[in-house]
Amino acid sequence: EIVLTQSPATLSLSPGERAALSCRASQSVDSHLAWYQQTPGQAPRLLIYDASNRATGIPARFIGSGSGTDFTLTISSLEPEDFAVYYCQQRYNWPPYTFGQGTKLEI
Amino acid sequence: QVQLQESGPGLVKPSGTLSLTCAVSGGSISSTDWWGWVRQPPGKGLEWIGEIYHSGSTNYNPSLKSRVTIAVDKSKNQFSLKLTSVTAADTAVYYCARAPWGSYAMDVWGQGTTVTVSS
Repeated sequence: EIVLTQSPATLSLSPGERAALSCRASQSVDSHLAWYQQTPGQAPRLLIYDASNRATGIPARFIGSGSGTDFTLTISSLEPEDFAVYYCQQRYNWPPYTFGQGTKLEI
Repeated sequence: QVQLQESGPGLVKPSGTLSLTCAVSGGSISSTDWWGWVRQPPGKGLEWIGEIYHSGSTNYNPSLKSRVTIAVDKSKNQFSLKLTSVTAADTAVYYCARAPWGSYAMDVWGQGTTVTVSS
């Protein structure tokens, strides 16, 4: 099983600042990593697929990068609605398809 | 566009069977997509349960495989989840989601349904 480790667990920033969230895989997932955003009481929303491709309707301030075992989600300038929990997921090596434990982005 | 809606009992007794359905609208379950289930215990992260293709091919999380069955009903354009021998540890919000064929992500999600295991 591939373990995804996200860091930091919590990130405290202010609107307008830049956020960098990390996801490290226990073995290579090539570029097959996705990022999701979840706000309280809502379902996860796909932000990034294949490490760096924005999903439909996702603003350009969300930037995914990385390959192999190290990945980063960068939010270039935080908007108030960006404060949420972010998860990475690999659907490359199964079973199972695993999620990271999440990073909470708070004000 | 494709939308997903979960339904099923919100309360299940310990040792019972959890049964949920995910209705697919705006598209066909026979398309080239995988249809899956993900759960989230209260205050915790996401756990992938398993998925099915319209042909009936399935992939399951090994940690749940002995208790899980995912099935597809093409006539009703829906798929289902059954989890047997439930305990309090199975209390969670259960989401259904779509993973397009060849994609490495789940791009459409249902709103989720809360299932509590309690007597």
